[in-house]
Amino acid sequence: GAGVSQSPSNKVTEKGKDVELRCDPISGHTALYWYRQRLGQGLEFLIYFQGNSAPDKSGLPSDRFSAERTGESVSTLTIQRTQQEDSAVYLCASSRRVGLATDTQYFGPGTRLTVL
Amino acid sequence: AQKITQTQPGMFVQEKEAVTLDCTYDTSDPSYGLFWYKQPSSGEMIFLIYQGSYDQQNATEGRYSLNFQKARKSANLVISASQLGDSAMYFCAMREGRSQGNLIFGKGTKLSVKP
Repeated sequence: GAGVSQSPSNKVTEKGKDVELRCDPISGHTALYWYRQRLGQGLEFLIYFQGNSAPDKSGLPSDRFSAERTGESVSTLTIQRTQQEDSAVYLCASSRRVGLATDTQYFGPGTRLTVL
Repeated sequence: AQKITQTQPGMFVQEKEAVTLDCTYDTSDPSYGLFWYKQPSSGEMIFLIYQGSYDQQNATEGRYSLNFQKARKSANLVISASQLGDSAMYFCAMREGRSQGNLIFGKGTKLSVKP
């Protein structure tokens, strides 16, 4: 079946502009996660959604970052007033459900964001 | 303190040989899961193998096996019969049972397979 998809695959923007990144999870997956990967680094957790519960925003680095998800479908990550340090690959993952240590997350191809 | 430590920034292995990638973890949660992901140069994160904290046996998936030593808090990935296509970044990650669900990643090990 279809995996996690993300768009755009690449985004170049100017400092100070807002950007929106999109994630389509695997059908039937109730949990959705956003991570950030800076060049040469591991992944940093940003935010996650589980069904209709309030999202866990504990990983968002600043109030310039926000995310939405409609039900158990598409999610958008918005970065306002982008800064050069926001340049990174933004990865989305989905899984069947949260709360179990066994729950495997499947990742999308990522969006490479470059802030000039 | 880092929860996931991968001490090998880079590793080389000869094609067809086995290689072990190290991972140690730190948690006080008795319930947790350990994951290994592969990230080729194309950037996608590919799930390889999972080990649960209560699993009695080491996990295996094809050429991948996980050497789980709970008392030492290590979860090393063993790749047998290395192939050129195994060249990639490898990330160890942990999910704690009490957490909301996010994975905690190590910094990764870059594996290069030599022909």
